[in-house]
Amino acid sequence: GAVVSQHPSWVICKSGTSVKIECRSLDFQATTMFWYRQFPKQSLMLMATSNEGSKATYEQGVEKDKFLINHASLTLSTLTVTSAHPEDSSFYICSASWVRQLEQYFGPGTRLTVT
Amino acid sequence: GDSVTQMEGPVTLSEEAFLTINCTYTATGYPSLFWYVQYPGEGLQLLLKATKADDKGSNKGFEATYRKETTSFHLEKGSVQVSDSAVYFCALSRGPVQGAQKLVFGQGTRLTINP
Repeated sequence: GAVVSQHPSWVICKSGTSVKIECRSLDFQATTMFWYRQFPKQSLMLMATSNEGSKATYEQGVEKDKFLINHASLTLSTLTVTSAHPEDSSFYICSASWVRQLEQYFGPGTRLTVT
Repeated sequence: GDSVTQMEGPVTLSEEAFLTINCTYTATGYPSLFWYVQYPGEGLQLLLKATKADDKGSNKGFEATYRKETTSFHLEKGSVQVSDSAVYFCALSRGPVQGAQKLVFGQGTRLTINP
């Protein structure tokens, strides 16, 4: 149980375009979803926390106009990287959880390459 | 703020060797502590957790004890296998109080087990 999927698993886009990444909880209702960014050989950096039906809470230093997060339903959150640039190339990981749940359940990640 | 420090990798061991990956944390109060594992090409999976001082988390032969006096949560395994090769992340959380709480990760330790 507690399976999280991400789509796509890998995406290449041109500089200046936007790309959307989906995160889905397959067998539970996720009241909270988290978006992380992972650089090669480095740890996960939390970008934002989203609660279903509410605006996302962004971590300090994360541009909310560049990384648009939507959590419109209890099973789906999306991260849109707007006007992507090569420095946005990274591995993006989502996790999901629910009220009063200590654990988070992670998706497999999406590798974004901006050319 | 809260932080987690792990021993730097990579760590390379032979099969059946004893494993220790050190993890220390800085946080006020009594956070919950976790070890997550990331196998090649996969998302993070919870390996074990401890929610209060002196608790021991264990799973798949791995163990870690929550030491409040030394603010540590070292990961150990008596006899590693090739299949244990992965990246291991130590993390802490203050949740859940209301809703799911964000995780603070260490930098990760890459473990390679040679046959």
